[in-house]
Amino acid sequence: DAGITQSPRYKITETGRQVTLMCHQTWSHSYMFWYRQDLGHGLRLIYYSAAADITDKGEVPDGYVVSRSKTENFPLTLESATRSQTSVYFCASSEPAGGLVIQYFGAGTRLSVL
Amino acid sequence: AQSVTQLDSHVSVSEGTPVLLRCNYSSSYSPSLFWYVQHPNKGLQLLLKYTSAATLVKGINGFEAEFKKSETSFHLTKPSAHMSDAAEYFCVVSDLDTNAGKSTFGDGTTLTVKP
Repeated sequence: DAGITQSPRYKITETGRQVTLMCHQTWSHSYMFWYRQDLGHGLRLIYYSAAADITDKGEVPDGYVVSRSKTENFPLTLESATRSQTSVYFCASSEPAGGLVIQYFGAGTRLSVL
Repeated sequence: AQSVTQLDSHVSVSEGTPVLLRCNYSSSYSPSLFWYVQHPNKGLQLLLKYTSAATLVKGINGFEAEFKKSETSFHLTKPSAHMSDAAEYFCVVSDLDTNAGKSTFGDGTTLTVKP
């Protein structure tokens, strides 16, 4: 199916465990983003990538690792999960055109860290 | 630096009455501005975008937004609310030239529509 898909949709894990959230897009968009959404904070950018093998930190990168070996995939890894990382995570992709950066979002992954 | 302030965290209207969701922005350059909508347990969907063309922008589902540079505002309106409009709305500013495609999101406004 065309679009941007995130997996898993729901995840429960324990503190200290490593967790990887997957994001896959079929449009070959250059840009990909990871956000977390928490009550009272809107969406905050964790990491983003302008192209394969190019990643950069966003507003709240601590405790997260990303990679982008292929244009279509942008996994987000929590190396040692903490309760404060309980959140809803959204992946987005974009292809800038005419100065515009319209982002297309996945359905989200709801992560609970116990 | 760019920033966005959504002036109301919650807005409640009756079905059939007008909707106004307020957004002020700050950007060093000429920004692109967006409104996204998020229905419960869903991802974000683009409602409309402003890109320095017409200041009044029409979006999907009857929504409009007006860019006012002098007031640094980009308020979202709809003449008549429908029950299906109940959702969370995000105002977003993006400056491709200076922020490498990064966008800044407001904290969101929850719209409740009463029957």
